[in-house]
Amino acid sequence: ETGVTQSPTHLIKTRGQQVTLRCSSQSGHNTVSWYQQALGQGPQFIFQYYREEENGRGNFPPRFSGLQFPNYSSELNVNALELDDSALYLCASSGDLVSSAQYFGPGTRLTVL
Amino acid sequence: AQRVTQPEKLLSVFKGAPVELKCNYSYSGSPELFWYVQYSRQRLQLLLRHISRESIKGFTADLNKGETSFHLKKPFAQEEDSAMYYCALSVRDTGRRALTFGSGTRLQVQP
Repeated sequence: ETGVTQSPTHLIKTRGQQVTLRCSSQSGHNTVSWYQQALGQGPQFIFQYYREEENGRGNFPPRFSGLQFPNYSSELNVNALELDDSALYLCASSGDLVSSAQYFGPGTRLTVL
Repeated sequence: AQRVTQPEKLLSVFKGAPVELKCNYSYSGSPELFWYVQYSRQRLQLLLRHISRESIKGFTADLNKGETSFHLKKPFAQEEDSAMYYCALSVRDTGRRALTFGSGTRLQVQP
């Protein structure tokens, strides 16, 4: 069974740029959630995708957007980067909407200068 | 809105001592509670979920709805238990199952 993978591992961008982060869900999982983890904080829910449709969103502005593909992999896009967007971005997959146990990837560390 | 509170940022104990990591939540309905653990340089891993009522690596956690708590306990700490522990809550909200995390407690087990 393949676990959740994310790419890239690290990324450095400047303010105002755009970034795309990628996630491959665990084999057999059709639900993907994205979280932002700032230093010293717990992860915060950004949004969730279920079968290619957005299925709920946390308190993040519209410049955070996402996609889920037919193979259930996913992208997180952030436009007009701000310094406060510097964080660890975590992707988590789960088997379906009934099961809330989520399995996390290693994360992408984004630094905005 | 739901909220999870972990009052201790750091808990330091000696090997063999009992451990209790505190977690309190606020939610008026019936949540599902989890403990996640992150060992050094590893990803966040699911440790326990309250509906399973199981013991993993000697850890147990009981949901106390009256006190809205889900404390994580282990009778005898081991050095390999040193890690960051996060309590998380999930509710069925318009079909989505997002996790709300606490800010985490770092457990340091000293030899």
